Amino acid sequence: SQTIHQWPATLVQPVGSPLSLECTVEGTSNPNLYWYRQAAGRGLQLLFYSVGIGQISSEVPQNLSASRPQDRQFILSSKKLLLSDSGFYLCAWERQGATGELFFGEGSRLTVL
Amino acid sequence: QKEVEQNSGPLSVPEGAIASLNCTYSDRGSQSFFWYRQYSGKSPELIMFIYSNGDKEDGRFTAQLNKASQYVSLLIRDSQPSDSATYLCAWGNMLTFGGGTRLMVKP
Repeated sequence: SQTIHQWPATLVQPVGSPLSLECTVEGTSNPNLYWYRQAAGRGLQLLFYSVGIGQISSEVPQNLSASRPQDRQFILSSKKLLLSDSGFYLCAWERQGATGELFFGEGSRLTVL
Repeated sequence: QKEVEQNSGPLSVPEGAIASLNCTYSDRGSQSFFWYRQYSGKSPELIMFIYSNGDKEDGRFTAQLNKASQYVSLLIRDSQPSDSATYLCAWGNMLTFGGGTRLMVKP
């Protein structure tokens, strides 16, 4: 069966510090991968998606970046965090060709102080 | 710009009643629609998807799609306290999510 893991689950970071969130998928090959952010009490905002290794599309210009160094690994990074980066970050995977049926990781809750 | 509108709620229903959740969208060309359930502090999980006009039933859940009127709805029959969660509608190939409707089912 397929599983998806994110870490860390919770982190508190000062403004201006770097960020690295990691997501891995097991039990499937060549998935589409997504990073979403959810502000408190709000819906999901698509940040990045990837259809393959090294292929990253950005939906919202900001100080975040994403990388996909391996088929089932997706990393979200920032060099300098802003207060507005606080939120619940969700990684999700999707089978190639199965549009919209996303399977989410447990999420990473980021608080920037 | 693609948009999805949902009433944020909370929608409060008594246990055993039918909960009706609605969502309107802006792009007439969209073909696929999804309902996700999100418990507080947890990640969303897919509960229903619908591609064609009309109704689709799965257990206590029924999704309804009306492309002419650009709305999609989710009915939950015999609502249970365990159904209390935020329900997110989503549509399109690169999913656009609504803000979610918080449902509270009171015993």
